Amino acid sequence: GNSVTQMEGPVTLSEEAFLTINCTYTATGYPSLFWYVQYPGEGLQLLLKATKADDKGSNKGFEATYRKETTSFHLEKGSVQVSDSAVYFCALTASGAGSYQLTFGKGTKLSVIP
Amino acid sequence: EAQVTQNPRYLITVTGKKLTVTCSQNMNHEYMSWYRQDPGLGLRQIYYSMNVEVTDKGDVPEGYKVSRKEKRNFPLILESPSPNQTSLYFCASSYGTGDYEQYFGPGTRLTVT
Repeated sequence: GNSVTQMEGPVTLSEEAFLTINCTYTATGYPSLFWYVQYPGEGLQLLLKATKADDKGSNKGFEATYRKETTSFHLEKGSVQVSDSAVYFCALTASGAGSYQLTFGKGTKLSVIP
Repeated sequence: EAQVTQNPRYLITVTGKKLTVTCSQNMNHEYMSWYRQDPGLGLRQIYYSMNVEVTDKGDVPEGYKVSRKEKRNFPLILESPSPNQTSLYFCASSYGTGDYEQYFGPGTRLTVT
């Protein structure tokens, strides 16, 4: 079956530091890949996505590139802010029609300190 | 405002007392689903629905029921709650499956004693 593995947290960074959160996946075919973010006390919201190999998703200064050869979708940001403190989830859906399930990683909690 | 709403947001109940968590979306989405979030386990899908009267099991359906009688509503029913169902529950909806963004509700924190 499909699975997503992301780095264990929590991750604590100082403001303006560089962020990388690793994510690797196992899936048949060509999945679509996502990063969702969960701010304290809220539901998840889509941060970015990529639907085919070598695609780069980007939003709010965050980026991730779909690497089929390494089955990875690492999240990066060049300079984090306190407002980026949240839990980040890597996720995938199987390719094609009938992709009814979004498979999540366990989440990585990021804390950014001033 | 486009949104997914859940009620109640917080619920404390006792073992065996039937409860329903409601979910409603105002975006005319066909696809809806329920997840539970537990520490160290991430989000796991309980049930999903592709359209009215069409539902199917996710990864952890035991102890839960759902129904989809109207497009906008997708309630989660716990017929006989047990302490291992203490969790944070999220409802989500989307236009379709695959590449489509899922929109999540704010969550319902359930405690079963």
